[in-house]
Amino acid sequence: GNSVTQMEGPVTLSEEAFLTINCTYTATGYPSLFWYVQYPGEGLQLLLKATKADDKGSNKGFEATYRKETTSFHLEKGSVQVSDSAVYFCALREAGGSYIPTFGRGTSLIVHP
Amino acid sequence: NAGVTQTPKFQVLKTGQSMTLQCAQDMNHNSMYWYRQDPGMGLRLIYYSASEGTTDKGEVPNGYNVSRLNKREFSLRLESAAPSQTSVYFCASSQERGRGDTQYFGPGTRLTVL
Repeated sequence: GNSVTQMEGPVTLSEEAFLTINCTYTATGYPSLFWYVQYPGEGLQLLLKATKADDKGSNKGFEATYRKETTSFHLEKGSVQVSDSAVYFCALREAGGSYIPTFGRGTSLIVHP
Repeated sequence: NAGVTQTPKFQVLKTGQSMTLQCAQDMNHNSMYWYRQDPGMGLRLIYYSASEGTTDKGEVPNGYNVSRLNKREFSLRLESAAPSQTSVYFCASSQERGRGDTQYFGPGTRLTVL
């Protein structure tokens, strides 16, 4: 079956530090990959996505590149802000068969001033 | 455009009580989902509906029932609440069955069962 593995948190950084949150996946087919963000007390919202190998998704200074050879979709940001403090979820969806998304367990990010 | 709305936002129940969580979307999406979120467990799918008139079990359906009332609304019912159902419940929707589809989430219902 499909699975998504994220690095465990919390990840604690100082403002303006570089962020990487690792995400690797296992899929039987050719999935699309997503990063969702959940701010405190809210639902998840899409941060970025990539639908084919070598695509780079980007939004709000965050980036992730679809690496088929390493089955990875690591999230990066060059300079984090306190307002980036949230839980980040990596997810995949496949074509054919079950279209149900598979989510990772989430990685909490805490950014200190 | 309200997106996905959920009611209530908070609820406290006693063991054995019943309740229905309501969800509605105004984006004309075909698919709707119910998840629960527990610390350290991520999101777990309870039920989903691929289209109006169809529902299917997800990963953790025991103790829950759902109704896809029409294309807009998808409700989740707890017939006899148990403390293990204390959780945050999220409804989500997406346009159609497709690998590139984004899910849109509601703000959640925080349920405590005493």
